[in-house]
Amino acid sequence: DAKTTQPTSMDCAEGRAANLPCNHSTISGNEYVYWYRQIHSQGPQYIIHGLKNNETNEMASLIITEDRKSSTLILPHATLRDTAVYYCIVGGSGYALNFGKGTSLLVTP
Amino acid sequence: ETGVTQTPRHLVMGMTNKKSLKCEQHLGHNAMYWYKQSAKKPLELMFVYSLEERVENNSVPSRFSPECPNSSHLFLHLHTLQPEDSALYLCASSQETRRGYTFGSGTRLTVV
Repeated sequence: DAKTTQPTSMDCAEGRAANLPCNHSTISGNEYVYWYRQIHSQGPQYIIHGLKNNETNEMASLIITEDRKSSTLILPHATLRDTAVYYCIVGGSGYALNFGKGTSLLVTP
Repeated sequence: ETGVTQTPRHLVMGMTNKKSLKCEQHLGHNAMYWYKQSAKKPLELMFVYSLEERVENNSVPSRFSPECPNSSHLFLHLHTLQPEDSALYLCASSQETRRGYTFGSGTRLTVV
């Protein structure tokens, strides 16, 4: 599976959009981009995934660049409950996803 | 509840004890996983089961022994653990073709 690079930490004001970047320059054609988040001491929670096209669901939007070498997770109106570690993972035809260190997002009042 | 249930939520065991962690899912998924998360470290994949067969074992010491009796249940049998094995143990399941994982809440294990 391709590796990803994410900033270690980010801050966002409550009510503003949180834009979390991820670089995955070695992604191959059949690999998806997945985003998960982990609130302190809980199991990770699936957020969204995509292959080529931008995706949106009730939690977030995923913007993937045309060359697929990077992506951005957008939380449109961040709340205090969105404070968590956000993991960007790239995975293909194997069974398991490998989690890196992620981005620690702090949403402030 | 996520649909993946782990028991117990907390476990304290001595180094000579034998205990088991249990994971149960009724999401119709056909793959199940054990992950370990030590303090301030990324999740480490331990074992992967697909269709009840172990398909991945990431160099985990033999004092950890997984068991998958059916597609809904996964166990992690523990014996003669070390204090450094203290961690959050997470179970997850997925439908392999989609690979969106559903995680349980984890078992917080302390080895004394």
